[in-house]
Amino acid sequence: AAGVIQSPRHLIKEKRETATLKCYPIPRHDTVYWYQQGPGQDPQFLISFYEKMQSDKGSIPDRFSAQQFSDYHSELNMSSLELGDSALYFCASSSRTVQETQYFGPGTRLLVL
Amino acid sequence: AQKITQTQPGMFVQEKEAVTLDCTYDTSDQSYGLFWYKQPSSGEMIFLIYQGSYDEQNATEGRYSLNFQKARKSANLVISASQLGDSAMYFCAMRADNTGGFKTIFGAGTRLFVKA
Repeated sequence: AAGVIQSPRHLIKEKRETATLKCYPIPRHDTVYWYQQGPGQDPQFLISFYEKMQSDKGSIPDRFSAQQFSDYHSELNMSSLELGDSALYFCASSSRTVQETQYFGPGTRLLVL
Repeated sequence: AQKITQTQPGMFVQEKEAVTLDCTYDTSDQSYGLFWYKQPSSGEMIFLIYQGSYDEQNATEGRYSLNFQKARKSANLVISASQLGDSAMYFCAMRADNTGGFKTIFGAGTRLFVKA
């Protein structure tokens, strides 16, 4: 079965640079979520989109923005990167027609130097 | 405020034995979902099991079962016949239908070690 696809899988950036993470949800899933997981921490919800509209917002810094496109893929844009942004970034998708279980992608591991 | 509490930072279990990972939650919503995810050392988050707040039966998925006690607000994960490959971090999570949002909050996790 198709899973959530995230790219890139690994990313190394320097402070103050920008990064764009991409997420391709499971086909027919209409909701996308972004999470940030720091080393040894639980995933923290950043933001979610339903039918291309922002549906919920968590602890997403103002330096970050995200959107969902007409084909339901989503991008997380991160600017003025800081050392503390180094983390595993997960995208998850779900469908509102079923139990809304969120299926996670493999994650993008971002390292800011 | 919604909260998930996992009080066991680490657990050891002998291979082939059963183990229970504890999870308690707090929400004022009547409709919510409870999830367990497994995160191996490779980092991916693997969905294990789901329990809806209105489900009267405990959820089961193969060797995984969820001991749902609504009055106590607990949703413990039971893994039967542990295998070496079960060694991983396990997260309990909750999604609540609050103002139309669908964010999920996670507990701090329990690291399970399966001994041969």
